[in-house]
Amino acid sequence: DQQVKQNSPSLSVQEGRISILNCDYTNSMFDYFLWYKKYPAEGPTFLISISSIKDKNEDGRFTVFLNKSAKHLSLHIVPSQPGDSAVYFCAATRGNRDDKIIFGKGTRLHILP
Amino acid sequence: DARVTQTPRHKVTEMGQEVTMRCQPILGHNTVFWYRQTMMQGLELLAYFRNRAPLDDSGMPKDRFSAEMPDATLATLKIQPSEPRDSAVYFCASGFPAPGPQTNIQYFGAGTRLSVL
Repeated sequence: DQQVKQNSPSLSVQEGRISILNCDYTNSMFDYFLWYKKYPAEGPTFLISISSIKDKNEDGRFTVFLNKSAKHLSLHIVPSQPGDSAVYFCAATRGNRDDKIIFGKGTRLHILP
Repeated sequence: DARVTQTPRHKVTEMGQEVTMRCQPILGHNTVFWYRQTMMQGLELLAYFRNRAPLDDSGMPKDRFSAEMPDATLATLKIQPSEPRDSAVYFCASGFPAPGPQTNIQYFGAGTRLSVL
C-alpha cells in the first residue's frame, strides 16, 4: 500500500502560469514532508520541505502547502519556467524518529513554451 | 563541492552474472540509503545504514541482493545472480540527521542504470 500518493503521473503547464503538484499521504505519524526534483540521468535533488507545525513554506518561486486534516500537500511553482520541467517526488517521514523517507511515484511536469 | 558519487553510471550484463554497484557518501554523513527506481514502483528503499550499521534491508530481495559498508567512505550493493527484472536505476543517498523537528535531508547520487539481458 502506498503511504504517499501522487495521483497525477504527468502535468503540462504553460510557461509563466502556476504549476500545482498534489500529494496525499495516509500515515498520520508523518510530520515532515519534502519535495524532490529530478532531471533525466540525474539523481533527485531536494527542493523544499515543510514541518507539520506549519501549513505553508515558501522559497522563491516555490511554495508548499500542508493540510494536515486532509492529509494533503501541494507544491506551487509561480511563475513556471522551462527549467522546471522535471519529475517531482513528494516524500514524507516521521521527523527525527525515523531516518527513512517514503517517496511517492512522482509527477512529470512539462512546461510548455 | 560535496556530492554522492556512484559507480558505474551504466552497467549492461547478462542474466546470472554478479553486479556490484558502489557509492561514496558525502564526507561526514552518517546515513546511507540504497533505492531502486522503476516506472511502476517509483523510488523504492532497498536498504539503509546508520554509522555503517545496517538498520533496514526489508525492501531488498535477500536471496540475491546484499548491501554492505566496508568503511565510512564506501557502500556497496551486490546482486548475485542478476535477473532481467533487476533492470532499473539504482540510487544511493546519504544524509546527516539534524537536531530538532527537522529531519535529515537525503542527498542523492546520479545513479547506476543497470540493464540485465
